[in-house]
Amino acid sequence: GAVVSQHPSWVICKSGTSVKIECRSLDFQATTMFWYRQFPKQSLMLMATSNEGSKATYEQGVEKDKFLINHASLTLSTLTVTSAHPEDSSFYICSAPQYVEAFFGQGTRLTVV
Amino acid sequence: AQSVSQHNHHVILSEAASLELGCNYSYGGTVNLFWYVQYPGQHLQLLLKYFSGDPLVKGIKGFEAEFIKSKFSFNLRKPSVQWSDTAEYFCAVNLDSGNTGKLIFGQGTTLQVKP
Repeated sequence: GAVVSQHPSWVICKSGTSVKIECRSLDFQATTMFWYRQFPKQSLMLMATSNEGSKATYEQGVEKDKFLINHASLTLSTLTVTSAHPEDSSFYICSAPQYVEAFFGQGTRLTVV
Repeated sequence: AQSVSQHNHHVILSEAASLELGCNYSYGGTVNLFWYVQYPGQHLQLLLKYFSGDPLVKGIKGFEAEFIKSKFSFNLRKPSVQWSDTAEYFCAVNLDSGNTGKLIFGQGTTLQVKP
């Protein structure tokens, strides 16, 4: 199957700083990618749809100024958590569809201290 | 709002026991249905999917699921589980056939299989 790589796998940052997470489709092109957030013991919640060459589409309740998404190429989408706070600590997962299946990255564990 | 509900949050079974994990969704239109598995420290992997046709779908590793439209359900089954099936299982629904990666997930079920 297709491979989606996410980097970094985990990151610890200080409160107030920004963190960038990358999502790459390694062997296919993706005009659309998706970013999810998962809290402990809870489901994956869709945050936004990343669109290559245009603005991301955010789900209701997701702050677009805090979670900046850039989809600069057909194989790369980035999620930047700006001015991170401890409540932003979570597991972030990206996915990219190929045909009728979505392929997921391994996720990024963000801890804000 | 559309939602996906998984009834079992934590299931503990012995090896060779049969498994059934419940999944219900709330949406009256056409849906695409998925079951994903996440082994510890690994990516989400697709177990099986239903788009149309035979409502009984077979997936990898001996898993199968049955789509019952009248019950808005898509339950996952396996006749005989193995210790290696210990993982987190997620049911997911795609409402937008033109945007197949956009999924609504259930809350997940942790399956623990005792050897």
